[in-house]
Amino acid sequence: AQSVTQLDSQVPVFEEAPVELRCNYSSSVSVYLFWYVQYPNQGLQLLLKYLSGSTLVESINGFEAEFNKSQTSFHLRKPSVHISDTAEYFCAVSGYTGGFKTIFGAGTRLFVKA
Amino acid sequence: DGGITQSPKYLFRKEGQNVTLSCEQNLNHDAMYWYRQDPGQGLRLIYYSQIVNDFQKGDIAEGYSVSREKKESFPLTVTSAQKNPTAFYLCASSMRSGGSGDTQYFGPGTRLTVL
Repeated sequence: AQSVTQLDSQVPVFEEAPVELRCNYSSSVSVYLFWYVQYPNQGLQLLLKYLSGSTLVESINGFEAEFNKSQTSFHLRKPSVHISDTAEYFCAVSGYTGGFKTIFGAGTRLFVKA
Repeated sequence: DGGITQSPKYLFRKEGQNVTLSCEQNLNHDAMYWYRQDPGQGLRLIYYSQIVNDFQKGDIAEGYSVSREKKESFPLTVTSAQKNPTAFYLCASSMRSGGSGDTQYFGPGTRLTVL
């Protein structure tokens, strides 16, 4: 069985401050890991994903996430946030368990304050 | 532009009524999905389809039905058997099934409200 836990439901932070959104997963098979972002009243968009290779992956807008196999974590970080980063962020895990299986976390609402 | 479209954006349903949500993609993806999103619960899988004329139940299929007669279309019907249908519904597609690590591409969603 696979599961994803996003440890914070809401994260308020001031503009230009660093932020970390935490994600832990559980799986009995090798997994792929994703972060998606959802702006209000919109669908989800891929932010970044880890498939293999370097454990540090980066997005085009300054976010990065590190795959830590020993701690089964895939935390999302940004050194300096902007107001426009206000959104809900979803961690997801995908692995073959005899069929389709992508599991999404409950989401973390990032609120950037001026 | 390639992408996924969902219609309508807002939908109101009366008690006992069936309604159908539309989802179309022009990405030439094999796999399509329907998710339900409720506040604080993330996304829950309703149905998915890996190929035309084939689909499987997800975690919360009761009260819903789907069809996949064309590669680009995957409509969802919310039946009167679904007791609490008020939610935000998201359709997605991927090149192959989700277990392969492919990115899922999402539509803009349909917000369904029961009157």
